Amino acid sequence: GEDVEQSLFLSVREGDSSVINCTYTDSSSTYLYWYKQEPGAGLQLLTYIFSNMDMKQDQRLTVLLNKKDKHLSLRIADTQTGDSAIYFCAELGAAAGNKLTFGGGTRVLVKP
Amino acid sequence: SAVISQKPSRDICQRGTSLTIQCQVDSQVTMMFWYRQQPGQSLTLIATANQGSEATYESGFVIDKFPISRPNLTFSTLTVSNMSPEDSSIYLCSVMGQGGTYEQYFGPGTRLTVT
Repeated sequence: GEDVEQSLFLSVREGDSSVINCTYTDSSSTYLYWYKQEPGAGLQLLTYIFSNMDMKQDQRLTVLLNKKDKHLSLRIADTQTGDSAIYFCAELGAAAGNKLTFGGGTRVLVKP
Repeated sequence: SAVISQKPSRDICQRGTSLTIQCQVDSQVTMMFWYRQQPGQSLTLIATANQGSEATYESGFVIDKFPISRPNLTFSTLTVSNMSPEDSSIYLCSVMGQGGTYEQYFGPGTRLTVT
């Protein structure tokens, strides 16, 4: 089946930029998503990008998509302690019946 | 964005019993889904809840274990039947298609512990 991979853990100092990376295998992906999950909470949709775009910016968040390499990244500028959470990338593609396929999540720890 | 509520938010149940989880959305949506998140894991899709017809289940999930209802475009239920400790998970309702978009939103989840 189709696969989405993320690194497990990222540690960053408050005020620095964070970059979370994701790779996927589905060549038919149409949309790619980033979600944030804080402890004990559901998933919060942060942003999503259509596959014919290569960048999307929304306040402190910048999404970069390299469709050729099937690589997606999320950059968080001026990272705050409230950004500590698990971040999931997900892709929507025909190979999975147009349903979301999730990565395993990246735990981001922001140190003061 | 869609506002999704789930009831109950958490429960502790005895093995062999069943629990029904409710999902309510604040507006009509095209697609409703049920996911499971086992402790420390990512999300796994259980099924797509279809309005007016039987749910579509993913591989490894069956209707007898996870019966689903969707009587209208804003409400769905998931029942976890004949529970065992392996069913201890967070169950999340999700929706897509509000306003014709591909934004997919998640409810706050129901944290189930089976003893």
